[in-house]
Amino acid sequence: DAGVIQSPRHEVTEMGQEVTLRCKPISGHNSLFWYRQTMMRGLELLIYFNNNVPIDDSGMPEDRFSAKMPNASFSTLKIQPSEPRDSAVYFCASGGRGPNYGYTFGSGTRLTVV
Amino acid sequence: AQSVSQHNHHVILSEAASLELGCNYSYGGTVNLFWYVQYPGQHLQLLLKYFSGDPLVKGIKGFEAEFIKSKFSFNLRKPSVQWSDTAEYFCAGDSGGYQKVTFGIGTKLQVIP
Repeated sequence: DAGVIQSPRHEVTEMGQEVTLRCKPISGHNSLFWYRQTMMRGLELLIYFNNNVPIDDSGMPEDRFSAKMPNASFSTLKIQPSEPRDSAVYFCASGGRGPNYGYTFGSGTRLTVV
Repeated sequence: AQSVSQHNHHVILSEAASLELGCNYSYGGTVNLFWYVQYPGQHLQLLLKYFSGDPLVKGIKGFEAEFIKSKFSFNLRKPSVQWSDTAEYFCAGDSGGYQKVTFGIGTKLQVIP
């Protein structure tokens, strides 16, 4: 099991540019979560999907943020345009059912917007 | 509102000391509870989880947690910490079916050799 795979690991971009973060959940997991972690605000849930459908996006900070899950094996989080205050580590997590219920996190994408 | 709270934000212990990190939840009804660990520069890893049944849950690396419904608590314990336990620990909860998941603010544990 390769775990939750995120790319890129690090991203440095200029303010105003579009940023796309990618996530491949664990095969068979039917729930997917995007989190943002900063020193000031800790770990924040941005959005989560169940069976590829967005269930709760109340944590998405602004319209500049959007997330998609076109199929069970891929999700993207897009920021357009990016701002310096978006600098953070973005984690993707997936969750299964039964004994696999819970949140398995990817290694994260460290985003720096200059 | 449904939430999870951690009261100790920064804990410093000497090696071999016992550890207890507090976690309180405010969910009504069904609640699933988790403890995660985040080593410096790494992602969150599951230590243990509670769904139902035996309120004393044993996890990896010698950690355990006890669900006490009357106190709305799910404290994490380890009888003897090691320097390698230096990390940040997060308590999390949801109301079942990945609904209303929240993570605590985290507790930074520093173990001094």
